[in-house]
Amino acid sequence: AQSVAQPEDQVNVAEGNPLTVKCTYSVSGNPYLFWYVQYPNRGLQFLLKYITGDNLVKGSYGFEAEFNKSQTSFHLKKPSALVSDSALYFCAVREEGRGSTLGRLYFGRGTQLTVWP
Amino acid sequence: DAMVIQNPRYQVTQFGKPVTLSCSQTLNHNVMYWYQQKSSQAPKLLFHYYDKDFNNEADTPDNFQSRRPNTSFCFLDIRSPGLGDAAMYLCATSRTRDSPDTQYFGPGTRLTVL
Repeated sequence: AQSVAQPEDQVNVAEGNPLTVKCTYSVSGNPYLFWYVQYPNRGLQFLLKYITGDNLVKGSYGFEAEFNKSQTSFHLKKPSALVSDSALYFCAVREEGRGSTLGRLYFGRGTQLTVWP
Repeated sequence: DAMVIQNPRYQVTQFGKPVTLSCSQTLNHNVMYWYQQKSSQAPKLLFHYYDKDFNNEADTPDNFQSRRPNTSFCFLDIRSPGLGDAAMYLCATSRTRDSPDTQYFGPGTRLTVL
């Protein structure tokens, strides 16, 4: 079974400081990992994904994520946080799917990031 | 820009009064999804279309139906909305059902049931 854990409901960081939003996963088969961001009353915006290859994945708006197979983690990071980064962040794992079989997306509970000035 | 569009952004309906939510996409993707997201929770998949092939999730209530008249459009019909159906409804698309493919989401429709 596939599952995602985001151990922190809230992360608070000062503007200009580095930020980390944690995610661990459990998956049978190859991990396909995604990060999405959701602003209030908006849909989910895709930030980045890990499929294979380099463990450090770079995405939109200066975000990056580090895939760690031994720790089954996929933490989201940004070197210098902005107030405008304040939003709800979802980590997701996609199960194996190909052809007629859907690779369902399983989301974590979300982490509310607040960046204060 | 290619995108996923949802209308309306906010919908208010009365208890038991049917409502239809709309989604359109300019990405020309084969797969369209409907998710329900309740306050501060993760999105929950209701069903998906692969082309015209409809696929219901096992725990999706019968009250929820969907139509996909063509590649670009998909509708969510709630036949008799209850108070528990108040939520954000998200439409998403992907090129295929394969795992590496990204799902792209629309802005959502916030449904209020009075």
